[in-house]
Amino acid sequence: TQLLEQSPQFLSIQEGENLTVYCNSSSVFSSLQWYRQEPGEGPVLLVTVVTGGEVKKLKRLTFQFGDARKDSSLHITAAQPGDTGLYLCAGAWQAGTALIFGKGTTLSVSS
Amino acid sequence: GAVVSQHPSWVICKSGTSVKIECRSLDFQATTMFWYRQFPKQSLMLMATSNEGSKATYEQGVEKDKFLINHASLTLSTLTVTSAHPEDSSFYICSASPLSNQPQHFGDGTRLSIL
Repeated sequence: TQLLEQSPQFLSIQEGENLTVYCNSSSVFSSLQWYRQEPGEGPVLLVTVVTGGEVKKLKRLTFQFGDARKDSSLHITAAQPGDTGLYLCAGAWQAGTALIFGKGTTLSVSS
Repeated sequence: GAVVSQHPSWVICKSGTSVKIECRSLDFQATTMFWYRQFPKQSLMLMATSNEGSKATYEQGVEKDKFLINHASLTLSTLTVTSAHPEDSSFYICSASPLSNQPQHFGDGTRLSIL
């Protein structure tokens, strides 16, 4: 059973399009992180959300944490080829505990 | 920012060899580090929690005698894959955090290929 459902698993779009990646769970997390991973490298932290309903923006990326802290979304506006990569959501039950990862979303943006 | 370093980044060795992977927190101390494994086109799966000065906690299905973890100092945890076999080939990644209420930072991973 996947504790953190991430969708879609694969996404192939054209430059300039918008997209949203979803991360859903039936469990409540104390925090949820979004990472981006390049092939052969470790995940790089994009954002941490901790408060229900929280919205954070990072340039063209908008992250939202659900009111009940069970789900999150990543929205990318006007995607660029440089956005290509693997996006991972990860939740923590408590501060300092290991992360539970979603299956990841492989994004491909073509020019 | 917090930096986690892993070494080596790539290992190719014969079946039956034991391989040690190091995970270092470069600018902070970490009483807890985490080891993950990632197979091609899959996400990260937690293998074990490394605790400084005490035994590691392994996830269900992970053989503790196969994957030996040592966390002898506040800046270093090692994962030794003993008598490695081709099915152990994977991408191994560690993470650590300066404080429990701060996000995890990941090493760059170690690509292990067993022939």
